[in-house]
Amino acid sequence: AQSVTQPDIHITVSEGASLELRCNYSYGATPYLFWYVQSPGQGLQLLLKYFSGDTLVQGIKGFEAEFKRSQSSFNPRKPSVHWSDAAEYFCASHGSGNTGKLIFGQGTTLQVKP
Amino acid sequence: GAVVSQHPSRVICKSGTSVKIECRSLDFQATTMFWYRQFPKKSLMLMATSNEGSKATYEQGVEKDKFLINHASLTLSTLTVTSAHPEDSSFYICSATRTGQETQYFGPGTRLLVL
Repeated sequence: AQSVTQPDIHITVSEGASLELRCNYSYGATPYLFWYVQSPGQGLQLLLKYFSGDTLVQGIKGFEAEFKRSQSSFNPRKPSVHWSDAAEYFCASHGSGNTGKLIFGQGTTLQVKP
Repeated sequence: GAVVSQHPSRVICKSGTSVKIECRSLDFQATTMFWYRQFPKKSLMLMATSNEGSKATYEQGVEKDKFLINHASLTLSTLTVTSAHPEDSSFYICSATRTGQETQYFGPGTRLLVL
């Protein structure tokens, strides 16, 4: 069965420090991989996605991620975190079949220290 | 582009009443919309998949008679929580996909509180 696991429930970084978010995916032949960011009390905003093509993807808010098939990873990185990056981050991928349904990870809460 | 709105953003109702939540794709046509429920500090739980002009497909454990979904047009889906009870209090989020595309765009969510 396909699965999406975020190993870090909570991350705290200092403002200006670098950040990498982690997610372990299992997927079928074609990966449909997503990262979403959710600010408190808000909906989800698409941060990054990967379907095919260039494995290095630029997202919003200064994030980028590289799809590494051998490691089943697509981890967003940001060289210098800003206080406004504090939020909940979810990775997701399509479930089996072609239903378009998303399987979400458990979420990672990012706290930014001044 | 790809803006999804929800209305209302917040609603308080009495136990036993019904509440309707609207999900609209503002600048694109959405063949498929999804309804999620999110508990505090938890991930999203898919409730149902809504396709324009057909009956919604509910996930296992979701009562279709309690959570009525209607997707009457390519830009509007509604979720009606019937005979709401306090345990239905939650954050409900919808998403929509452009026709023929894979990315889901999410609405801002609706906070429901049942007293």
